Amino acid sequence: DQQVKQNSPSLSVQEGRISILNCDYTNSMFDYFLWYKKYPAEGPTFLISISSIKDKNEDGRFTVFLNKSAKHLSLHIVPSQPGDSAVYFCAASALQGAQKLVFGQGTRLTINP
Amino acid sequence: SQTIHQWPATLVQPVGSPLSLECTVEGTSNPNLYWYRQAAGRGLQLLFYSVGIGQISSEVPQNLSASRPQDRQFILSSKKLLLSDSGFYLCAGLGSYNEQFFGPGTRLTVL
Repeated sequence: DQQVKQNSPSLSVQEGRISILNCDYTNSMFDYFLWYKKYPAEGPTFLISISSIKDKNEDGRFTVFLNKSAKHLSLHIVPSQPGDSAVYFCAASALQGAQKLVFGQGTRLTINP
Repeated sequence: SQTIHQWPATLVQPVGSPLSLECTVEGTSNPNLYWYRQAAGRGLQLLFYSVGIGQISSEVPQNLSASRPQDRQFILSSKKLLLSDSGFYLCAGLGSYNEQFFGPGTRLTVL
């Protein structure tokens, strides 16, 4: 039972355009959502997060949107840069308790010059 | 700053051999530590977490075990490795804003 799903294994975007990565979840107990960026053979790097009391959080070029009724979140990167090419994981947790993260399968983003 | 140290970076072990991967954390007052595994082409799966010394919770039945002998040390072990234990192992701590921060990982290949 996959509680967090990223249905697009890969995404290709032209440099300077907007990249939109999507994520769906099924567990209504999740109240905190995070996006991570990962390069091969390295640990994931935290990008941005959002709690369930908000529907948008912005940090520089990165914006995360949360639609609780649809159990859907998205990460927008604008403008996309070549250095953004990586695998992006969304993750979800419940802030109460051990705050375990449940990860999606990841989306490989490629930014083309 | 919050930092997770992991070693070794890569490891090749024969089937049936033991395993010990070590993780240490610095720069955070939160005691929670986590072990994840990423199989080839897959997402990260939580294996174990610990909220304090000697406190271990297992998330999936498997051939591995974990221990927390000191506050800032988290160890992943196996008595006899299986081929299916191959993967990329990541240790994580919990940061000030409820984000988990990860170490550099260990690539384990079991032959």
